[in-house]
Amino acid sequence: KQEVTQIPAALSVPEGENLVLNCSFTDSAIYNLQWFRQDPGKGLTSLLLIQSSQREQTSGRLNASLDKSSGRSTLYIAASQPGDSATYLCAGPVGGSYIPTFGRGTSLIVHP
Amino acid sequence: EAQVTQNPRYLITVTGKKLTVTCSQNMNHEYMSWYRQDPGLGLRQIYYSMNVEVTDKGDVPEGYKVSRKEKRNFPLILESPSPNQTSLYFCASSLVAPKGANYGYTFGSGTRLTVV
Repeated sequence: KQEVTQIPAALSVPEGENLVLNCSFTDSAIYNLQWFRQDPGKGLTSLLLIQSSQREQTSGRLNASLDKSSGRSTLYIAASQPGDSATYLCAGPVGGSYIPTFGRGTSLIVHP
Repeated sequence: EAQVTQNPRYLITVTGKKLTVTCSQNMNHEYMSWYRQDPGLGLRQIYYSMNVEVTDKGDVPEGYKVSRKEKRNFPLILESPSPNQTSLYFCASSLVAPKGANYGYTFGSGTRLTVV
């Protein structure tokens, strides 16, 4: 079974820091990679979607990259704010499967 | 507004009493799926559907049923709920491109189910 791993599992930083969240997958055959944000007890909100033909996507202070050859994606958060506190999950249909595989997420706390 | 709508948002029920959680999407998506999310276990797929009348098991299908009679609806049925099905449930949908790729997933807001 294909796996998606997210490191670190938890992160606590002071406001203003630039952050990198990592997502790795076991097979480079991936159609796309999607990053989500989840607030406690809430649904998943899509942040960025990177197609396999792309290398990165940007939205405001967020930038996500995809390196299929190394099996990695990173989510970069610039100038973090307390409102960024949430769990961030990555997911993608890896290993040639259409069905997405989810990572366990990175729990982020940004303190004032 | 394009969205996936789940109902109810919260549900408390007793062991053995059949229940249905509804899921509807207004984006004409082919693919729909149900997940459960439990602390420490992440998101686990229960069932998915590639199109009308086409459903398949995910990683944890035991104790659940689904149907896909219409493209927009994908209800989750618990015939005889048990306490170990207490969880947070999510429905998701996406378009299916040629060769099986998709355009990303849209999630519902979740259903918090408690079985006592």
